[in-house]
This record gives sequence, structure tokens and C-alpha cells, in this order.
Amino acid sequence: DTEVTQTPKHLVMGMTNKKSLKCEQHMGHRAMYWYKQKAKKPPELMFVYSYEKLSINESVPSRFSPECPNSSLLNLHLHALQPEDSALYLCASSQGTGGPDTQYFGPGTRLTVL
Amino acid sequence: GQNIDQPTEMTATEGAIVQINCTYQTSGFNGLFWYQQHAGEAPTFLSYNVLDGLEEKGRFSSFLSRSKGYSYLLLKELQMKDSASYLCAVLDSNYQLIWGAGTKLIIKP
Repeated sequence: DTEVTQTPKHLVMGMTNKKSLKCEQHMGHRAMYWYKQKAKKPPELMFVYSYEKLSINESVPSRFSPECPNSSLLNLHLHALQPEDSALYLCASSQGTGGPDTQYFGPGTRLTVL
Repeated sequence: GQNIDQPTEMTATEGAIVQINCTYQTSGFNGLFWYQQHAGEAPTFLSYNVLDGLEEKGRFSSFLSRSKGYSYLLLKELQMKDSASYLCAVLDSNYQLIWGAGTKLIIKP
């Protein structure tokens, strides 16, 4: 089973709202990732969690706040977003060996900021 | 700097064969991935190459030449459902994925 699930599938929010994106995997993977993808562009890495600790933060604005409650779950808390933050937000997971792992992606959350 | 190049768009005919090329210059190399992404959906893993040569997996094959910084994805017996973007990504010395911009493949009947 190589399934990563994400909720919600679609989200529309205003610039003053607070919302959260959720990601879950039950493959025993110890590395989890958040990516942002704009149309016709490759995914851009935002955050990496390794063994539930934040290991990479790619200079993402503080209006995006990741959280890893346990090894299976990854959240992305959103607050005071801008219209340019509208994108497909992808979660991925990998074994987290520290070596060449394959990343498996969830279906994504299509976010629209009004 | 890090750079991955692949053609922006390619067109092929149903039932035919198409080769999508990828060239890379990265700080270190720990393997190259190919992902398929249908519009509005998540990337799905197709292949991983770390040694030179050809890896075959059904209708899809992937080739790597480390000395040339070059890979290709070969799709045989094309089907309409193969219309998608194909992303080449290199794992650099820090085991971070460096992504190409993707190749949009259009299949015509």
C-alpha cells in the first residue's frame, strides 16, 4: 500500500481565515513533506519532517505553520494567506532512511485564497 | 547552480513510441526519478535510476548515463491515458529532490 491521504480536496478561504490541511500515511514512513505547486510548474518544497522533527524549512513565510503530531500525521496550518498562495498543496512521505528514498504523494489540496 | 532541463511539450500518436529526455547539472547525484502527473492530480512514481543503464517496467523504460548527466523515459504502445506531464527529478548530495519543469505529453488518436 503506497497511499497518502489528504483532506480537504478543495479549500476556499478568505485572507483573514485560519484553516488547516491534513495529511496521513500508514506505510510506516518516517519522513513527510509539504510541497506547493502552481499550475504548469514543478512542486516546490516547503517543509520536511524527519522522525517527527522539522528538518527542512525552505524559508517559507510564517503564515504557513507545519505540525507533525505523530509519525503518521502531518498538518499545515494556514493564517492570513494572500491570493498568490493559491496553489495545489501536496503532501508526500518516504521511508526516511536518510538515503535515496522514493517519495509517495497524496492527491493534494487545491487551495484558493480570495 | 542546479539545473534540470526537459522539453516543455511533446506530441505523439496513440500506439507509437515516445522518448522524453532529461539533462541535469546538480551538486551531487544520488539517483534520478521520473514521475507522471495528470492535470490537477498528484505526481505518481514511475522509476528510479542510480546506476547507468536501462530499467524496464512494462510499457515504460528509463535510461541513465551519469557521465553525460542524461536520462530518458521511453513510453511504448502509447495510450490516450498516457497524456500527462512527466517530471524528471534528481536527488542531490543532501538527498533533496531537484525538479525539472516537466514535459507535457499530448497523445493524439
